[in-house]
Amino acid sequence: DAGVTQSPTHLIKTRGQHVTLRCSPISGHKSVSWYQQVLGQGPQFIFQYYEKEERGRGNFPDRFSARQFPNYSSELNVNALLLGDSALYLCASSWATPLSGNTIYFGEGSWLTVV
Amino acid sequence: GQQVMQIPQYQHVQEGEDFTTYCNSSTTLSNIQWYKQRPGGHPVFLIQLVKSGEVKKQKRLTFQFGEAKKNSSLHITATQTTDVGTYFCAKNTNAGKSTFGDGTTLTVKP
Repeated sequence: DAGVTQSPTHLIKTRGQHVTLRCSPISGHKSVSWYQQVLGQGPQFIFQYYEKEERGRGNFPDRFSARQFPNYSSELNVNALLLGDSALYLCASSWATPLSGNTIYFGEGSWLTVV
Repeated sequence: GQQVMQIPQYQHVQEGEDFTTYCNSSTTLSNIQWYKQRPGGHPVFLIQLVKSGEVKKQKRLTFQFGEAKKNSSLHITATQTTDVGTYFCAKNTNAGKSTFGDGTTLTVKP
């Protein structure tokens, strides 16, 4: 069975550009969350989607947006990229919302470098 | 700001020694989760604790949730080189937001 898949795995963007990161959850999972992980720190929560609705939002600027599609895959969009947006972006899926105690599975992540 | 604090930040042990990392919160937690992230890898879910005073074991790993539900610990008995990585605790709020600590990075000398 496929795990959580993310694309692209690595990408380099220029300041001011826009980026779209994609995530496919494990088959049957309805919840997708996005995290940003800067080197040496723990993952920082960006968004959670469940049943195609936003269920949680972290402390990130409006340049960050996301959506979940009918097939439960998700996209994270970041506009007007800054150097500080360089990080590992992780997608996590679970059958239900994390609060319900289901195991959460992270993808390999997308490494974004902004130059 | 950080809402779950982990100590120590780094721990270097000799293979066979025990290891403990602690997670502390200023507020009462509804639950606490633990993850392991290998160098260059992604976080892997280990366990979730929900009940006050709960203790769970996974082979050489023992997880504990404090009686006041404000702290948690992960103890590894007789570390092996395969235990190398960063161990994170995380809490979930009713809003579905997960807050991670900054982790404890464990290195094991063979």
